[in-house]
Amino acid sequence: KQEVTQIPAALSVPEGENLVLNCSFTDSAIYNLQWFRQDPGKGLTSLLLIQSSQREQTSGRLNASLDKSSGRSTLYIAASQPGDSATYLCAVGNYGGATNKLIFGTGTLLAVQP
Amino acid sequence: DGGITQSPKYLFRKEGQNVTLSCEQNLNHDAMYWYRQDPGQGLRLIYYSQIVNDFQKGDIAEGYSVSREKKESFPLTVTSAQKNPTAFYLCASSISQGSYEQYFGPGTRLTVT
Repeated sequence: KQEVTQIPAALSVPEGENLVLNCSFTDSAIYNLQWFRQDPGKGLTSLLLIQSSQREQTSGRLNASLDKSSGRSTLYIAASQPGDSATYLCAVGNYGGATNKLIFGTGTLLAVQP
Repeated sequence: DGGITQSPKYLFRKEGQNVTLSCEQNLNHDAMYWYRQDPGQGLRLIYYSQIVNDFQKGDIAEGYSVSREKKESFPLTVTSAQKNPTAFYLCASSISQGSYEQYFGPGTRLTVT
């Protein structure tokens, strides 16, 4: 059974710092891995999608990497800003018959201090 | 604007009542999903639909029902059989099943007392 873990559960950094969020998964047979951002009481905003054949994806100040063999992904945020404060969720798309089920981690709550 | 809408944003019900949560998308996506989010837990899949008039149970389908009569609509009914219905419910869609990005709606917070 696929399990997804995100460490740390919470992180507080000063503005301008570069930071890394971690995501690990137990079963390497995945379709893809998706990183999301969630603001309090809101839905999820997709940040980056990495296909199983890819090693990384970049969007602006965000860079996500994927190492299937070790069951790990990282989300790198450069030059953090207070507006980056949110919960960051990773989810792996798992093989399951004809279904691409997303299995979610419990998230990392990020606070960027001005 | 293309996107996913969920209504209402907040919903309150008495125990023993069925309640239906709305999800509509105008992205022309074939696949739609319902997830439940509880504090301290990751999102869990309730039901999903790959195409109109077809849907399958997810990991926690007991006490829930869905329909998919139109491509753009995927309502979720929380029945009185659901033991712990208070939660944040999120609807999502993707172009199709497979390795495609999922897009989420703003969610409905259901409180049952």
